[in-house]
Amino acid sequence: EIVLTQSPATLSLSPGERATLSCTASESVSSNLGWYQHKPGQAPRLLIYDASKRATGIPARFSGSGSGTDFTLTISSLEPEDFAVYYCQQRNDWPLTFGPGTKVEIK
Amino acid sequence: QVQLVESGGGVVQPGGSLRLSCAASGFIFSSYGIHWVRQAPGKGLEWVTIIGYDGRDKYYGDSVKGRFTISRDNSRNTVHLQMSSLRAEDTAIYYCAKERRWREYYFDSWGQGVLVTVSS
Repeated sequence: EIVLTQSPATLSLSPGERATLSCTASESVSSNLGWYQHKPGQAPRLLIYDASKRATGIPARFSGSGSGTDFTLTISSLEPEDFAVYYCQQRNDWPLTFGPGTKVEIK
Repeated sequence: QVQLVESGGGVVQPGGSLRLSCAASGFIFSSYGIHWVRQAPGKGLEWVTIIGYDGRDKYYGDSVKGRFTISRDNSRNTVHLQMSSLRAEDTAIYYCAKERRWREYYFDSWGQGVLVTVSS
């Protein structure tokens, strides 16, 4: 099973600041990685797929990069609605796996 | 627009069974794989299972293999998850999710989730 680790576990930032979230895979997943945003009581939302492609309707302030084992999700300038938990997910091999999540909280 | 609505959750005793359903609308149901993803209380997301667009391809996570069975009825735009030999660690919110594209294995639409509690 491919294990995904995310850092930091919690990121405390203010609106307008830049957020940089990391995801590391236990083995190469090529570019087969996605990012999701999840807010309490809501369904998760796909932000990024194939490491760097924005999903439909996702604002340009969200960007993804990386390949192989190291990936980054960047939120260029945090909006109030961006405070949430973010998960990475690999589709390179079965079983599909998620990282443990990074909580982006208001400082 | 795409809509996925889960049902069938509830409280069940350890060792018991439960059947979840996912009713879909707003897209060509028979063209997409459907997944179940769960979230235990205070934990992260865990992928559970997938069924392919025609019901032939099925994969399961190791934690549910042999206990859970996924099926679909394309005439009713519905997916079912039959859960048996339930354990306390199966307690979670269960989401059904649609693939962005067949065999792409990213989830672009999700239901609101249904709570399953395994407790005596």
